[in-house]
Amino acid sequence: EAGVVQSPRYKIIEKKQPVAFWCNPISGHNTLYWYLQNLGQGPELLIRYENEEAVDDSQLPKDRFSAERLKGVDSTLKIQPAELGDSAVYLCASSLGVLDEQYFGPGTRLTVT
Amino acid sequence: AQSVTQLDSQVPVFEEAPVELRCNYSSSVSVYLFWYVQYPNQGLQLLLKYLSGSTLVESINGFEAEFNKSQTSFHLRKPSVHISDTAEYFCAVSKAGGGNKLTFGTGTQLKVEL
Repeated sequence: EAGVVQSPRYKIIEKKQPVAFWCNPISGHNTLYWYLQNLGQGPELLIRYENEEAVDDSQLPKDRFSAERLKGVDSTLKIQPAELGDSAVYLCASSLGVLDEQYFGPGTRLTVT
Repeated sequence: AQSVTQLDSQVPVFEEAPVELRCNYSSSVSVYLFWYVQYPNQGLQLLLKYLSGSTLVESINGFEAEFNKSQTSFHLRKPSVHISDTAEYFCAVSKAGGGNKLTFGTGTQLKVEL
């Protein structure tokens, strides 16, 4: 069974440019998570989806970050415009339901120059 | 809110030696506790978890962790490590029955040397 797929794996952009990350969760998983992992830190939740509904986006910086999961499957996380401090690894995870084990993708490493 | 403290950022150890990775948590409510492992260039994988019942939990590759409520700890141990155990280990906590929101520690890099 395929795991959580994320693309791209690496992205380098200049500050003020837009960037988007894509996540394909494990088939059948209704719950999808986006995490931010800064260097030397543990992951921090940005947003959680139950199907296509964002049920916890309290940690998402809404002035520049946006996310969507239109059909309740794939999800996209966008940053516009990117800042130097956004350099980090962006992790996607999915679970069958809200109380089930989370499976993580390999992450997208973003470098903003 | 919950928080997790992993005091050791790096733990070097020789192969076949025992190891303990420390994890302490803070919470005003009952919690679930987890250890995740992250191998280079891979996503986090669940190693073991404590939800309820026996306070000693084990993984399939020889790790174990013990939930100690009085000490608010969930230390990870292995009696004999292998080179392949080299990875970053994250302790995480969530509110029991509270919707699966994980709060992670800062991670401990375990480096196993020959």
